[in-house]
Amino acid sequence: AQSVTQLGSHVSVSEGALVLLRCNYSSSVPPYLFWYVQYPNQGLQLLLKYTSAATLVKGINGFEAEFKKSETSFHLTKPSAHMSDAAEYFCAVSANTDKLIFGTGTRLQVFP
Amino acid sequence: EAQVTQNPRYLITVTGKKLTVTCSQNMNHEYMSWYRQDPGLGLRQIYYSMNVEVTDKGDVPEGYKVSRKEKRNFPLILESPSPNQTSLYFCASSSRQLHSNQPQHFGDGTRLSIL
Repeated sequence: AQSVTQLGSHVSVSEGALVLLRCNYSSSVPPYLFWYVQYPNQGLQLLLKYTSAATLVKGINGFEAEFKKSETSFHLTKPSAHMSDAAEYFCAVSANTDKLIFGTGTRLQVFP
Repeated sequence: EAQVTQNPRYLITVTGKKLTVTCSQNMNHEYMSWYRQDPGLGLRQIYYSMNVEVTDKGDVPEGYKVSRKEKRNFPLILESPSPNQTSLYFCASSSRQLHSNQPQHFGDGTRLSIL
């Protein structure tokens, strides 16, 4: 069975600071991994995806994530937070099934 | 513009009154899915469909029905809604089955309140 754990339901950073949102996965087969962002009153938008090519994946809005098989992690980072990054972020895994399993989400707050 | 459209966006109704949430996509996607989002639980899959006339249960299908008579439409039906179905619902579609790594496109959500 596959699962996703997002550590920290809330993360707060100052504008310009590093953003680090943690995601660990469990899968018995090589997974596909996704990060989605949800802005208030909107649906989810794809930030980036890992599909077994490069382990460092670059996404939109300056975000990137690194797939580390040894740590079963897929943490999302951004070097410098912007006020517009405030949103909820979801990590998701799909592994040889027709289901996409989501984590419980991390709400990012950015302070001026 | 490529999009997934859900209607209504907001609905307040009463226990036991049948309701339908419509979902339509204009991307000719084979795969469509319904999720519910609850605080602290993330998104949980209700039902999904891999193509016309093919539907299957997700993780939380109880109390819901779906149909896929046309490729573009995937309505969610609550035959006898109950308060525990108060939630934020999302419809999503993708061009292929998930294990081919195609990302899903999401609608803007439907907030249901069942009194």
